[in-house]
Amino acid sequence: AQSVTQPDIHITVSEGASLELRCNYSYGATPYLFWYVQSPGQGLQLLLKYFSGDTLVQGIKGFEAEFKRSQSSFNLRKPSVHWSDAAEYFCAVLPRGGSNYKLTFGKGTLLTVNP
Amino acid sequence: DTEVTQTPKHLVMGMTNKKSLKCEQHMGHRAMYWYKQKAKKPPELMFVYSYEKLSINESVPSRFSPECPNSSLLNLHLHALQPEDSALYLCASSFRDPPYEQYFGPGTRLTVT
Repeated sequence: AQSVTQPDIHITVSEGASLELRCNYSYGATPYLFWYVQSPGQGLQLLLKYFSGDTLVQGIKGFEAEFKRSQSSFNLRKPSVHWSDAAEYFCAVLPRGGSNYKLTFGKGTLLTVNP
Repeated sequence: DTEVTQTPKHLVMGMTNKKSLKCEQHMGHRAMYWYKQKAKKPPELMFVYSYEKLSINESVPSRFSPECPNSSLLNLHLHALQPEDSALYLCASSFRDPPYEQYFGPGTRLTVT
């Protein structure tokens, strides 16, 4: 069955530390891949996306993600976390072909940043 | 400009009320979406409009009635809601052609009393 897994429900890091949020997917063909961030009570903001080409993609707010086909993973990274990065992070996938409308989200990872 | 706007920001309604949520985008997107999000959960797709026509209805109860009056506007009409319908309602839009990245609005926080 097609699925998106974010193994970590909650991660706590100290301000200035590095960050990696994990995302694995299970699809027949590599889907389109996205990371979204949601601050409390807010909408979702698109951080970055992977469609094809270079497997290391740069996004907004200093985030990057690496696509690894062999591991069916699309992990999000940031070298130095800021307190304002505290939020919920969702990995999402969109199958290639067909109507291409239905985003499938992971369950999310809540990031807490300690001062 | 990648902005999707939603009004109102907050809405409290009784179970017998009729209200509407509004969404607007000016990015030239021809696909628009309604999602429902409960606390600590990912968004759940409700409806998709493509070229102002309803394309997907994810078996949503008829007390939710979507409308797309033109390519920039999307409404969600609410009637006879239940307390369990209380949630954050998110609107999103995307280009019709691949790769369909969706841009979300800030949401309407709905409370049904």
